[in-house]
Amino acid sequence: EIVLTQSPGTLSLSPGERATLSCRASQSITSTYLAWYQQKPGQAPRLLIYSASSRAAGIPDRFSGSGSGTDFTLTISRLEPEDFAVYYCQRYGSSPSLTFGGGTKVEIK
Amino acid sequence: EVQVMESGGDLVKPGGSLRLSCAASGFTFKSAWMTWVRQAPGKGLEWVGLIKNGGTTDLAAPVKDRFSISRDDSKNTVYLQMNSLKTEDTAVYYCAWLFYYYMDVWGKGTTVTVSS
Repeated sequence: EIVLTQSPGTLSLSPGERATLSCRASQSITSTYLAWYQQKPGQAPRLLIYSASSRAAGIPDRFSGSGSGTDFTLTISRLEPEDFAVYYCQRYGSSPSLTFGGGTKVEIK
Repeated sequence: EVQVMESGGDLVKPGGSLRLSCAASGFTFKSAWMTWVRQAPGKGLEWVGLIKNGGTTDLAAPVKDRFSISRDDSKNTVYLQMNSLKTEDTAVYYCAWLFYYYMDVWGKGTTVTVSS
């Protein structure tokens, strides 16, 4: 079973700063199958990035995804107040079909 | 508008059963793969299961022997039948449209509480 490990668990930053979030897979995965989501308190997750680097509809270009193999990164170039949230990576595959990372909380410093 | 909406969450005793529903609109439901994801209080996201167009299902190991997923394409609805519920099943349950390999449309969630 492939496990996704996100780091850091919490990232304390100020508005305007750059955020770099990591998602590491226990085995190599196809980039096509890697997505990122944002979740704010009391809300459902929202798709940000799919296929490792493609932004979903309506997602600002300050969000970008990169990576391949076992190491993937979500970057927020300049944090806006509304970007403080929890971020999850997700992989589609088999056994199990879907897997989420444990999440990274981006909080205001 | 493309949307999904869950219903059926409730307070249930351990060992009890519950059926959640997810009504979809705005997209071609009969072709869609649908998935259930849950989130225990204060915890991360956990995949529960999926149902493909045609009805093939796949369920996560923790629920495989207790939960089942079905769909009614005439009603644009997917169901999550939960039996032998445990306290650790307490969570917000989300329904989502699995578009290719990612979840593009999510519902607002429905809360299931398992407690005596």
